[in-house]
Amino acid sequence: QVQLQQWGAGLLQPSETLSLTCAVYGETFSNHSWTWIRQSPGTGLEWIGEINHGGSTNYNPSLKSRVTISVDTSKNQFSLKVNSVTAADTAVYYCARGRVAFDYWGQGNLVTVSS
Amino acid sequence: DIQMTQSPSTLSASVGDRVTITCRASQTISSWLAWYQQKPGKAPRFLIYEASSLESGVPSRFSGSGSGTEFTLTISSLQPDDFATYYCQQYNSYPLTFGGGTKVEIK
Repeated sequence: QVQLQQWGAGLLQPSETLSLTCAVYGETFSNHSWTWIRQSPGTGLEWIGEINHGGSTNYNPSLKSRVTISVDTSKNQFSLKVNSVTAADTAVYYCARGRVAFDYWGQGNLVTVSS
Repeated sequence: DIQMTQSPSTLSASVGDRVTITCRASQTISSWLAWYQQKPGKAPRFLIYEASSLESGVPSRFSGSGSGTEFTLTISSLQPDDFATYYCQQYNSYPLTFGGGTKVEIK
């Protein structure tokens, strides 16, 4: 049974760094790519980027300058960092399995950016 | 970026109804389209890939069709568990993009 469990800080101030981690259970980590997606009332579902087991990444150009996705294959985990957050980064963030379509998702983390 | 437009944004239907949701792409995406179902407070659930291929475990009352720029998701006989919001997503090119969603509510 594949499970993705994610965690990270839920309340940030403007200009801080968002940091989330997703742990993968019940799956051979190296067999897939792993993705971050966010959802907000204003912008709907937005693909952030993806990483494969070898560490190759692909980011949404709209966020590329502020986003880093990394992987720790020894722990079956991958992580998301978004620098210099603003209120526009307030959203539910999801990790998911897949490179182009996503069959398993984490439970989601609400991240609120507010002073 | 490829824009994905869904219609209607809200659909009111009854149990047993046949329901059709449309998704249009701003440029051709061949059959590189996925559909998801989302319930309040939950992550999206993967339903269909390559426009018409049903994901394992998804009930056969769900079906997808289309290619190019116009696609449909059909629920042949709406069940109580199907009241949710549905999203299309293109994976023809990066950045991957989603439709705005269609909420299926009880009539």
